[in-house]
Amino acid sequence: AQTVTQSQPEMSVQEAETVTLSCTYDTSENNYYLFWYKQPPSRQMILVIRQEAYKQQNATENRFSVNFQKAAKSFSLKISDSQLGDTAMYFCAFMKRGSQGNLIFGKGTKLSVKP
Amino acid sequence: NAGVTQTPKFRILKIGQSMTLQCTQDMNHNYMYWYRQDPGMGLKLIYYSVGAGITDKGEVPNGYNVSRSTTEDFPLRLELAAPSQTSVYFCASRPLGGMNTEAFFGQGTRLTVV
Repeated sequence: AQTVTQSQPEMSVQEAETVTLSCTYDTSENNYYLFWYKQPPSRQMILVIRQEAYKQQNATENRFSVNFQKAAKSFSLKISDSQLGDTAMYFCAFMKRGSQGNLIFGKGTKLSVKP
Repeated sequence: NAGVTQTPKFRILKIGQSMTLQCTQDMNHNYMYWYRQDPGMGLKLIYYSVGAGITDKGEVPNGYNVSRSTTEDFPLRLELAAPSQTSVYFCASRPLGGMNTEAFFGQGTRLTVV
């Protein structure tokens, strides 16, 4: 069975600074996808960024980028130029290829961006 | 563009009561899912469906039932509510084709069983 671990229950960062959220996962699969989801106080789950395991290049989406280390089973999220609107819970998620799209989530990291 | 719509947004149930959480999507997605989110935890899969008439259990299906009579609707049924079912419930959908496609989530239903 796959597991996803987020070791930082809470983090804070000053506005305009950079923060990195950690995620590790355990799997024996070779073909899979990794995601970061954002959950603001509104509860809406919003996809931030995704990574295909077969791609060595790290995914980037504007201020968001990942450091994907397949051998180490590590998938961290870097947020640059943090904004107040980035305050939210962040969930790392794993999806095995061919699993009907079922997502396995970590417990989340609560990020607070301070003015 | 409504996306994934869940009703109700909040509900309080008494132990032993039953209710149906409604979920509908207007994107013609084949895949639909029900997750629950307990305090301080990530989402866990309850049931999923790969198309009308086809459903399957996820990680935590006990105490729940689902049906998928149409592409659009995927209701979740609680027959005998228990305090352990106090949680936030999310419905999600995903299009067929390409396993890296984005899952679209509803805004959740906060259920309290007392």
